[in-house]
Amino acid sequence: GEDVEQSLFLSVREGDSSVINCTYTDSSSTYLYWYKQEPGAGLQLLTYIFSNMDMKQDQRLTVLLNKKDKHLSLRIADTQTGDSAIYFCAETGGSYIPTFGRGTSLIVHP
Amino acid sequence: NAGVTQTPKFQVLKTGQSMTLQCAQDMNHEYMSWYRQDPGMGLRLIHYSVGAGITDQGEVPNGYNVSRSTTEDFPLRLLSAAPSQTSVYFCASSPGTRSGNTIYFGEGSWLTVV
Repeated sequence: GEDVEQSLFLSVREGDSSVINCTYTDSSSTYLYWYKQEPGAGLQLLTYIFSNMDMKQDQRLTVLLNKKDKHLSLRIADTQTGDSAIYFCAETGGSYIPTFGRGTSLIVHP
Repeated sequence: NAGVTQTPKFQVLKTGQSMTLQCAQDMNHEYMSWYRQDPGMGLRLIHYSVGAGITDQGEVPNGYNVSRSTTEDFPLRLLSAAPSQTSVYFCASSPGTRSGNTIYFGEGSWLTVV
């Protein structure tokens, strides 16, 4: 099946930028998503990007897509302790059913 | 503005019992899916449906059954619960169009099998 890969952990200092990376294998991916999950909670959609775009910015969040390398990244500017969570990358191809990565735990320390 | 409604939120089952997790959406979405989430494993697809009357298996379908008799409802049945099915379950729906495919999730169902 198609795979979505993410590193499992990222630790940053409060105020720094965080960059969470994701790679995927489905060349027919149409939409790519970033979700945030806080402990004991469900999944919150942060942002998504259509495959014909290479960048999308939304306040502190910047998504970069390199379609040639099948690489997606999420940059969080001025990271705060409230950003500590698990971040999931997901993609949908022709089936429109999302495939998720294992999630990256972002730890923000003072 | 209900979105995706999942019930129950918490359930404890004994090994061998059966139960159904309910999922309903009121957005007329064609695409619905069930995932389980386990620590360090992300969300793994159990079953999915691309429209009423159509279902298919995902990555981890064993021990689960689904049906899609209406567009709105997509229940997940555990036929004979096992401790390995202790997990958090999420239902999702999406419109599945090239002009937009925002995925909506239910709030999750925490299931413990003892």
